[in-house]
Amino acid sequence: DTGVSQNPRHKITKRGQNVTFRCDPISEHNRLYWYRQTLGQGPEFLTYFQNEAQLEKSRLLSDRFSAERPKGSFSTLEIQRTEQGDSAMYLCASEVRAGANVLTFGAGSRLTVL
Amino acid sequence: AQSVSQHNHHVILSEAASLELGCNYSYGGTVNLFWYVQYPGQHLQLLLKYFSGDPLVKGIKGFEAEFIKSKFSFNLRKPSVQWSDTAEYFCAVNYGGATNKLIFGTGTLLAVQP
Repeated sequence: DTGVSQNPRHKITKRGQNVTFRCDPISEHNRLYWYRQTLGQGPEFLTYFQNEAQLEKSRLLSDRFSAERPKGSFSTLEIQRTEQGDSAMYLCASEVRAGANVLTFGAGSRLTVL
Repeated sequence: AQSVSQHNHHVILSEAASLELGCNYSYGGTVNLFWYVQYPGQHLQLLLKYFSGDPLVKGIKGFEAEFIKSKFSFNLRKPSVQWSDTAEYFCAVNYGGATNKLIFGTGTLLAVQP
């Protein structure tokens, strides 16, 4: 257990359905990141929050993707109208404070879109 | 563009062999450098990091890495690998800026044969 909890661990869905992933970071960490990892690739940055504020979004994050961190604690990543190309491992990471520069990753949520 | 290159995609070694995995980055300014490891079925874990100072950094489990600024490289080494080192290794770079996001390489899959 890394201290960063992600749910669900696995999600299989049909194309066109909506899915939501949840990340609970380490409690005292105020920065939270979402990454996506596909087979044979390294993790790719999607977005990050400092407390409840979403401060940057990657161009990878199309308008079907939305992320929230409503109270600066847990975060959700929703994918609407899923496509087969969305199949990937979605990783959450947290950082103890801005500038600490060390991310702690969760185990990830694997999405399979049929 | 900011990028990270790992030239060895798949490495197979026998136990006790020496290991060196290459990592090159594209930017010439101040960077923070990392190696992460992902053991089979586990989450990404930090192996070692370089921020400043001595360019030879030591990490967990006998790993070390050397930052060579003139070559934009941060190669990972271990003098004698063990079967338990079988894992995927990712080099990552923080190019600075407000986000502290990491840019990851594509990873090197290391298989150590007993």
